[in-house]
Amino acid sequence: AQTVTQSQPEMSVQEAETVTLSCTYDTSESNYYLFWYKQPPSRQMILVIRQEAYKQQNATENRFSVNFQKAAKSFSLKISDSQLGDTAMYFCAFMNQGGSEKLVFGKGTKLTVNP
Amino acid sequence: DGGITQSPKYLFRKEGQNVTLSCEQNLNHDAMYWYRQDPGQGLRLIYYSQIVNDFQKGDIAEGYSVSREKKESFPLTVTSAQKNPTAFYLCASSPRDRGLYNEQFFGPGTRLTVL
Repeated sequence: AQTVTQSQPEMSVQEAETVTLSCTYDTSESNYYLFWYKQPPSRQMILVIRQEAYKQQNATENRFSVNFQKAAKSFSLKISDSQLGDTAMYFCAFMNQGGSEKLVFGKGTKLTVNP
Repeated sequence: DGGITQSPKYLFRKEGQNVTLSCEQNLNHDAMYWYRQDPGQGLRLIYYSQIVNDFQKGDIAEGYSVSREKKESFPLTVTSAQKNPTAFYLCASSPRDRGLYNEQFFGPGTRLTVL
């Protein structure tokens, strides 16, 4: 069974600074997807960024980028120019390619952006 | 507007009572999912359905039941057999019709409290 580990329960960053959230996973599969979801205080889950395991290039979405290290099974999220609206829980998630498309989530990192 | 609705937003139940959480989507998605979220935990999969009249157990199905009689609807019943039902419940859906990957879209959630 796949597992996802987020080792940082809480983090904080100053507005406009850069922060990196860590995520490691365990799987025997070679084809899969990785995701970062954001859950603000409203509790609505929002997809931030995704990475296909077969792609070597790291995904980027505006101020959000990932560092995907397939051999190390590591998938960190970098937030540049942090904004107050980035304050949220961030969840790393794993999905096998094909099949049931179930998401396996980590326990989350609570990020606070300070003014 | 297309989207996923969950009702009610807050739900209170007495011990020993069954309660049904509603999830409706008008996105024409084939697959639907129920997740449970507890404090300090990521989301955990309860049940999922990839097609009408078919569903499978997730990781924590004990004490829950579902039905999928219509494509648009995937209600979750929390039975009296669920020992610790107080939690935040999230419903999601995905199209399952696009290539290798189908994004899951989440509803706003229902907070269930057992009194």
